[in-house]
Amino acid sequence: GQQLNQSPQSMFIQEGEDVSMNCTSSSIFNTWLWYKQDPGEGPVLLIALYKAGELTSNGRLTAQFGITRKDSFLNISASIPSDVGIYFCAGPMDSNYQLIWGAGTKLIIKP
Amino acid sequence: GAVVSQHPSWVICKSGTSVKIECRSLDFQATTMFWYRQFPKQSLMLMATSNEGSKATYEQGVEKDKFLINHASLTLSTLTVTSAHPEDSSFYICSARVARHSTDTQYFGPGTRLTVL
Repeated sequence: GQQLNQSPQSMFIQEGEDVSMNCTSSSIFNTWLWYKQDPGEGPVLLIALYKAGELTSNGRLTAQFGITRKDSFLNISASIPSDVGIYFCAGPMDSNYQLIWGAGTKLIIKP
Repeated sequence: GAVVSQHPSWVICKSGTSVKIECRSLDFQATTMFWYRQFPKQSLMLMATSNEGSKATYEQGVEKDKFLINHASLTLSTLTVTSAHPEDSSFYICSARVARHSTDTQYFGPGTRLTVL
């Protein structure tokens, strides 16, 4: 089915480094959601974006809703070991709020 | 944020038995809940959309007689895997839609790991 284009697929970084990942779509979205999923757990909502151009922070995380409404990025500053996991972007497809998902970005932190 | 619980967190059953998974919204009412299935190293695959008081809407390729969904109240949706077989083994996750004022999002349960022997 339809999927958002999320990149990179995986990242190997040193602890303390900043991280950046993004999602793009050929379609316009009115909402962008960023989730983190740990192994064996359900996704946890990190940041929700509702307005084009909106820049929102949640602790060390910052996400922006692209002005064209076709893209979004998520930044993590000063990464720590507990940031390890898979990050997904998602956007609602229709009025019933079914989500379209990115393929995920796996974050691995080298000690 | 909104809290969604699932029960059980894991279950092992014999082939041919039925398994019921519960999804509850703990501190809010959810008119719409979703059921997903996730295979290793893949993103979530939507199985069905469950609206309180009405029949669930199933995605293409998902057998409604195999995966029975009941959304009897605003805080509870159940997924029953009937006559489970090993190929039904997977990670099942529910979510609930939360629409408040100018925000509208989905919160997820912790998932249920089903293993069919």
